[in-house]
Amino acid sequence: GENVEQHPSTLSVQEGDSAVIKCTYSDSASNYFPWYKQELGKGPQLIIDIRSNVGEKKDQRIAVTLNKTAKHFSLHITETQPEDSAVYFCAAFPPAQGAQKLVFGQGTRLTINP
Amino acid sequence: DVKVTQSSRYLVKRTGEKVFLECVQDMDHENMFWYRQDPGLGLRLIYFSYDVKMKEKGDIPEGYSVSREKKERFSLILESASTNQTSMYLCASSTRAGGGQETQYFGPGTRLLVL
Repeated sequence: GENVEQHPSTLSVQEGDSAVIKCTYSDSASNYFPWYKQELGKGPQLIIDIRSNVGEKKDQRIAVTLNKTAKHFSLHITETQPEDSAVYFCAAFPPAQGAQKLVFGQGTRLTINP
Repeated sequence: DVKVTQSSRYLVKRTGEKVFLECVQDMDHENMFWYRQDPGLGLRLIYFSYDVKMKEKGDIPEGYSVSREKKERFSLILESASTNQTSMYLCASSTRAGGGQETQYFGPGTRLLVL
């Protein structure tokens, strides 16, 4: 089945700098890759997603890139702010595994230092 | 706004107790999910349901069961709680319209401690 690896597990950056979180997946049939952000005391919330027919997607300060050949995708956050501090999860959707089952990565705890 | 609520934020139970975790969503979503979240392991799917009275095992169903008697409510049951079930439990829901590429909406989680 699909396996998603996420790195790094923790990341600390200075406010205003950029942060990059990387994920690799194993199933070449996976075609949908969402990113979720989990703030302290809350459940994860979708922040951006990308489908396999697109190489890059941007939404203000966040962007996601997808390399289907290498089977990896990355989250880029520019001009980081204190409110970006959270745990981030990547996920992949492998259609062959059945109805709407996302496979999540291990999570990255991002800390923005003022 | 989609709202997914979980019956408790914190629970403390004894080994061997039967534990019920309740989840309710207000968006008429067909799909509902139960995950557990552990440090370094991410979110692991326990069970999911794509319709009333329907259920499918996820990746770690052992020691758990579920019930979905109404569309808006999905219950996770620990038949006989054990210490290795101490964890954060997250419920989520989504529509079924896009064949798997829909947003999952999560509840705030229940932190369960089994002593």
